[in-house]
Amino acid sequence: QVQLQESGPGLVKPSETLSLTCTVSDGSSNSGSFYWSWLRQPAGQTLQYIGRISLSGSTDYNPSLRSRVTISLDTSKNQFSVKLTSVTAADTAVYFCARDNDSTENFDYWGRGILVTVSS
Amino acid sequence: DIQMTQSPSSLSASVGDRVTISCRASQSIRRYLNWYQQKPGKAPTPLIYTASNLQSGVPSRFSGSGSGTDFTLTIDSLQPEDVATYYCQQGYSTPRSFGQGTKLEIK
Repeated sequence: QVQLQESGPGLVKPSETLSLTCTVSDGSSNSGSFYWSWLRQPAGQTLQYIGRISLSGSTDYNPSLRSRVTISLDTSKNQFSVKLTSVTAADTAVYFCARDNDSTENFDYWGRGILVTVSS
Repeated sequence: DIQMTQSPSSLSASVGDRVTISCRASQSIRRYLNWYQQKPGKAPTPLIYTASNLQSGVPSRFSGSGSGTDFTLTIDSLQPEDVATYYCQQGYSTPRSFGQGTKLEIK
């Protein structure tokens, strides 16, 4: 059973950088059949795609966040990470990591989510 | 970017009812449409992928249909544990995008 777990600070100051890591339990981060994704959900709102990374290191970002976001992969640790710079209160949300399955074209496994609040 | 529109935004039905939720894409996404269920404080869980394929472990009372721009999620014989918000999501292109959600309650 695949498990994903987000970790990182729950509070970030405005203008600083939000950094989160997702640990994948089953080592499938070494498989080329998946994309490793970040999404977020502000309170009471729908889900927003932040971006994803493939095993080869190819990245794709939501155009609305592209200038501020970087996703990276560390297969030796079965982890992938997201950095979002110059955060504001509008970046306050629950952040999820998820596996985007190339076979089913859906997000088939999700982390539990981590609430990140941007506040001074 | 592809916009996803769900209807209704909220729905109240009785146990045992048949419930349908609609999702429309702003352009053709062929059959690359997925459905998720999200309960309060939890991550979304996948229900249906590529329009009509049931995710492993999902009860058979859930089904999906559609292609192109118009899709439907159907729950046959609504159960109390189905109270949740349901989201559609297009898997046709990036950036991936979701509908605004349909909140389902029991009468």
